[in-house]
Amino acid sequence: DTAVSQTPKYLVTQMGNDKSIKCEQNLGHDTMYWYKQDSKKFLKIMFSYNNKELIINETVPNRFSPKSPDKAHLNLHINSLELGDSAVYFCASSRTITSYNSPLHFGNGTRLTVT
Amino acid sequence: QQPVQSPQAVILREGEDAVINCSSSKALYSVHWYRQKHGEAPVFLMILLKGGEQKGHEKISASFNEKKQQSSLYLTASQLSYSGTYFCGTDGGTSYGKLTFGQGTILTVHP
Repeated sequence: DTAVSQTPKYLVTQMGNDKSIKCEQNLGHDTMYWYKQDSKKFLKIMFSYNNKELIINETVPNRFSPKSPDKAHLNLHINSLELGDSAVYFCASSRTITSYNSPLHFGNGTRLTVT
Repeated sequence: QQPVQSPQAVILREGEDAVINCSSSKALYSVHWYRQKHGEAPVFLMILLKGGEQKGHEKISASFNEKKQQSSLYLTASQLSYSGTYFCGTDGGTSYGKLTFGQGTILTVHP
């Protein structure tokens, strides 16, 4: 049973296209996140949702739009893809919004390549 | 503010020890440690809370010095399975879930 699953695992697309990544967690957690890991392995938070409510929205271009239909799902839609969007996108979840007692559980990542 | 990890890379032989440091310019409430193997997701190791506590996980332990705003991860008698990139994540003094990760420390253990 996969705890945090995201699809697709790989995404290769051309500049200007629109794409979506889906994430689901079966851990019963309240909080979900999107992190971006660039080619230098730097892990940067993009968004977090707590019980479907947007909590954290880092300075991410508004071409990126997250959506949480329920607390078990968090999707990421990206419009007008650019070369610089190429990265590995990780979905994660935590039991609660509080960081001091809630470790992150990461999905296996989606490797996005924009050509 | 991103925490700073040192060293950037460590190469060990099986059985050797290593220390990875994580420093923040901001007051911290908690520090997380994760390990990421090549091509895989980061995996949680431990959380430390302010109060200078120490924690252990198999032969991996960590300490947190809130006055110095630093945490250290200790890997003793390293095994091949310890190879990977280690990340610390800090919360910048808030208790709600915004973790900022360090740049990572690549640990390679050779037979």
